[in-house]
Amino acid sequence: SAVISQKPSRDICQRGTSLTIQCQVDSQVTMMFWYRQQPGQSLTLIATANQGSEATYESGFVIDKFPISRPNLTFSTLTVSNMSPEDSSIYLCSAGTGHFYGYTFGSGTRLTVV
Amino acid sequence: AQKVTQARTEISVVEKEDVTLDCVYETRDTTYYLFWYKQPPSGELVFLIRRNSFDEQNEISGRYSWNFQKSTSSFNFTITASQVVDSAVYFCALQGSSNTGKLIFGQGTTLQVKP
Repeated sequence: SAVISQKPSRDICQRGTSLTIQCQVDSQVTMMFWYRQQPGQSLTLIATANQGSEATYESGFVIDKFPISRPNLTFSTLTVSNMSPEDSSIYLCSAGTGHFYGYTFGSGTRLTVV
Repeated sequence: AQKVTQARTEISVVEKEDVTLDCVYETRDTTYYLFWYKQPPSGELVFLIRRNSFDEQNEISGRYSWNFQKSTSSFNFTITASQVVDSAVYFCALQGSSNTGKLIFGQGTTLQVKP
């Protein structure tokens, strides 16, 4: 399965600022996904990053708050915009192709907003 | 709607005890996949197993075993002779055929193995 590099691994940010998280896969993949894990909670899908088209967002998540880019088949970014303390979470990307989704996640970005 | 329920949010055992983590799922899809992940304190998500809905054969991998029963919509995970290094949060997840790769996660079970 694919190997995913995610950075930064952690960050502490001021409220009102933005942070961009990068996800690099070592092979071409069809689908890339971004998940959020709030403190003590489970993982929730934010959006599916589509190569060459706009991301598909889940209910409760909007492009203005979480803009996503997918310039090619191996790379994606998630930006957390205008951050507030409620955005403090672990953000994880995942990738897959064909029927092989869900095997691999990035190491996660632990974000703290102060 | 699709849903995954892990009823027990916290389990504490003493080392060498066997422990079972429960997972019950809901889906209307006839084809789906079930997953288990381990999340240690460092935060990364470690893939443990994927099982498709047509394969009800139980699986064993070392001290880990999985019991898939479609009749009860359950996919339980047992750790035999638990070790302190097994301490982590464990997530069960569902991927339906209509979800195009999307995973629905249970709430997670925090396992603490005491020496």
